Amino acid sequence: GAGVSQSPSNKVTEKGKDVELRCDPISGHTALYWYRQSLGQGLEFLIYFQGNSAPDKSGLPSDRFSAERTGGSVSTLTIQRTQQEDSAVYLCASSLGARGPGELFFGEGSRLTVL
Amino acid sequence: RKEVEQDPGPFNVPEGATVAFNCTYSNSASQSFFWYRQDCRKEPKLLMSVYSSGNEDGRFTAQLNRASQYISLLIRDSKLSDSATYLCVVTRIGGFKTIFGAGTRLFVKA
Repeated sequence: GAGVSQSPSNKVTEKGKDVELRCDPISGHTALYWYRQSLGQGLEFLIYFQGNSAPDKSGLPSDRFSAERTGGSVSTLTIQRTQQEDSAVYLCASSLGARGPGELFFGEGSRLTVL
Repeated sequence: RKEVEQDPGPFNVPEGATVAFNCTYSNSASQSFFWYRQDCRKEPKLLMSVYSSGNEDGRFTAQLNRASQYISLLIRDSKLSDSATYLCVVTRIGGFKTIFGAGTRLFVKA
């Protein structure tokens, strides 16, 4: 069965450009998460979506970051006016979310490099 | 102070050794606890959940101490393949927010 799919796997962009990162969760998973991992660092929580509830955006580092989830499935993380410090691996995860987050299944990540 | 704190290591141990990692969490409203494993340049994967009564899975034992707000992972008879980063994970009561510690790096040497 298909796991969590992320695209692009690698993205190189120039400072000031906007980027969009896509996540396709496991079918039937109601919870979807975005994390950021800088080189040699841990996972930094960004945002999660659960069913039809309002997303928890408490981890977004600035208003240049936004995310949406359409139809309860695919999610897009958008970073506007990218800065060099945005360079990191952006990881998406999904979970069944039946009575709590449970096990998170991660995609392979999108590696963003801002020049 | 970070919500989930771990000793970053690295821990360098010989094959066959027993090694233990601790993790502390600051939010007493934390509900569920997990250990994930992350290999170099790979995505994290669930290693095991952590229950109040403690639980064991083969060579791995996880313990939770709610009073002291810490979680432990014990690995017995270490294998070369255990070399990885071990991430302590905490979720909050009543929600889905899932917080990862920065991880503890383990190197098992022949």
